[in-house]
Amino acid sequence: GAVVSQHPSRVICKSGTSVKIECRSLDFQATTMFWYRQFPKQSLMLMATSNEGSKATYEQGVEKDKFLINHASLTLSTLTVTSAHPEDSSFYICSAHRSGNPYEQYFGPGTRLTVT
Amino acid sequence: SQQGEEDPQALSIQEGENATMNCSYKTSINNLQWYRQNSGRGLVHLILIRSNEREKHSGRLRVTLDTSKKSSSLLITASRAADTASYFCATVVLLANSKLTFGKGITLSVRP
Repeated sequence: GAVVSQHPSRVICKSGTSVKIECRSLDFQATTMFWYRQFPKQSLMLMATSNEGSKATYEQGVEKDKFLINHASLTLSTLTVTSAHPEDSSFYICSAHRSGNPYEQYFGPGTRLTVT
Repeated sequence: SQQGEEDPQALSIQEGENATMNCSYKTSINNLQWYRQNSGRGLVHLILIRSNEREKHSGRLRVTLDTSKKSSSLLITASRAADTASYFCATVVLLANSKLTFGKGITLSVRP
């Protein structure tokens, strides 16, 4: 199967600090990864599309300077929440699709971010 | 913006019964997918149905797609307590960018 991992699974940080979340495809290469945010009891909202070796494409309303995305290799994308505030507290989920197979996305287990 | 709208928003059934969940969407799609999410976890892909398909089966799951009505249904037969989860439909409009647009989700509770 296609496995996607995220690290950390949970993180608590103080207001004003930055937090980095990693998303890795463990057994396949992913030219494209996606980052979602999910508030409690709500749906997933796409934040950005991360392409290996190029700049991420952000969805409308998502601040690119606040949510920095780096996709430096075919198996790793990182999301850095800069100058975090309590309203950034959420569940962040990444997904990836295999190179050459755009039909299915494989999701990571998510990262619970709490900003105090 | 959300493309899909599921109904009902919450469904509670007895183990052994069938669960039917519906999803409607707004624009033309390349494919529609159903996902399951257990509380506080990531998403599990259940089934994908392409725009030129009308019905697909996978184990106890049956998905239909009516592109003229822009709607899909997910049927879980002989439900089990372990099926308790949130279910989301998600659409792909353009295969080139593979972006998934999720509906609001349905919370299914299966009582033992």
